[in-house]
Amino acid sequence: EVLLVESGGGLVQPGGSLRLSCAASGFTFSIYSMSWVRQAPGKGLEWVSYISGSSGAIHYADSVKGRFTVSRDNAKNSLYLQMNSLKDEDTAVYYCARDGLYWDFDSWGQGTLVTVSS
Amino acid sequence: DVVMTQSPLSLPVTLGQAASISCRSSQSLLYSDGNTYLNWFHQRPGQSPRRLIYQVSNRDSGVPDRFSGSGSGTDFTLKISRVEAEDVGVYYCMQGPHWPSLFTFGPGTKVDIK
Repeated sequence: EVLLVESGGGLVQPGGSLRLSCAASGFTFSIYSMSWVRQAPGKGLEWVSYISGSSGAIHYADSVKGRFTVSRDNAKNSLYLQMNSLKDEDTAVYYCARDGLYWDFDSWGQGTLVTVSS
Repeated sequence: DVVMTQSPLSLPVTLGQAASISCRSSQSLLYSDGNTYLNWFHQRPGQSPRRLIYQVSNRDSGVPDRFSGSGSGTDFTLKISRVEAEDVGVYYCMQGPHWPSLFTFGPGTKVDIK
């Protein structure tokens, strides 16, 4: 069974930093691309970042480019999102999602809440 | 950027009746490889999203056959033939991988029971 478990969320002041982690199990992590998707309170879904299995391809949404960095450690079956210069509008539940074969997300974690507030 | 729109944004339905959600993109989603990567997700209250349909019309494993997807180019539809109580929640369409945003979600359609 595919399992994705996010951690690292919490309360942070504007301008601060936070590092999210996603522990993957139940599949061969290294061959799958992964993404981070977020959802602001009461709002819709927004794709944040993508990383290929080998880390050779990395992409970001314009809203986080230059502030967020995605990475992965295939030996640890883990995905990360380093978030710097956080803004109020970054407040959201952050999901890690496994990229399926069809430019989609076939598995999702339960999410971790990031609150940016003074 | 590709902009995804959905209608209606709110859909009250009667149990056992059919429901239909429209998803439109600002440009054709036909990709250079000949495929169209339009997906549908369902998010129940308090839960993570779940993939329902991929590549326009392919149901995910375990998705009841009362769900069907169709469309091409810029116009797509998700249909529920007979709504059940477990179908409540928000439905999102999503496109990939048309640049500059690799993935773009629609705003979501909230389905609830009348």
